[in-house]
Amino acid sequence: GNSVTQMEGPVTLSEEAFLTINCTYTATGYPSLFWYVQYPGEGLQLLLKATKADDKGSNKGFEATYRKETTSFHLEKGSVQVSDSAVYFCALRVGGGNKLTFGTGTQLKVEL
Amino acid sequence: DAGVTQSPTHLIKTRGQQVTLRCSPKSGHDTVSWYQQALGQGPQFIFQYYEEEERQRGNFPDRFSGHQFPNYSSELNVNALLLGDSALYLCASSLGGAIKNIQYFGAGTRLSVL
Repeated sequence: GNSVTQMEGPVTLSEEAFLTINCTYTATGYPSLFWYVQYPGEGLQLLLKATKADDKGSNKGFEATYRKETTSFHLEKGSVQVSDSAVYFCALRVGGGNKLTFGTGTQLKVEL
Repeated sequence: DAGVTQSPTHLIKTRGQQVTLRCSPKSGHDTVSWYQQALGQGPQFIFQYYEEEERQRGNFPDRFSGHQFPNYSSELNVNALLLGDSALYLCASSLGGAIKNIQYFGAGTRLSVL
């Protein structure tokens, strides 16, 4: 079956620190990969995506590269801000249809 | 432009009861998917509706059923509620069934089963 594994949180960083949230996956087929972000009291928002190997998704200073050889899609940001504090979910989709398979989420806390 | 709206925001039910949750998709969208997010977990896919039919289903019992109306809005029904059904229920909408289309999520309905 399909599954996504994320590093456990919470991850606590100082403002302007470098962020990495690890994500690895297993999939029967060739997945598209996504990072979603969930702010308190809100729904999930798509942060970035990649649909084929070696693609790099990027948005708002965040980026992730689809690595087929290591089945990974790690999220990175060079300098985090307090406003980046949220829960981040890695997800995949295989084939047609809308079914997204999510990881358990990683909470990020950024302090001044 | 209204995004995905869900109602109610919060709901408290007792074990064995039935519940109906509602979702209005983002303007211009015709496909609705439902997810269950237990506390501290990632969302789990329940099912997807397109053209008023269930098109894809996750690993949920048939106590979970749904409906899509001609205006593309959708309902999620859960019968014979169990304590384990307590969760945040998320609705996501998209345009068509194309694999490249992005899903937009609502803020969810938090269901508590006592």
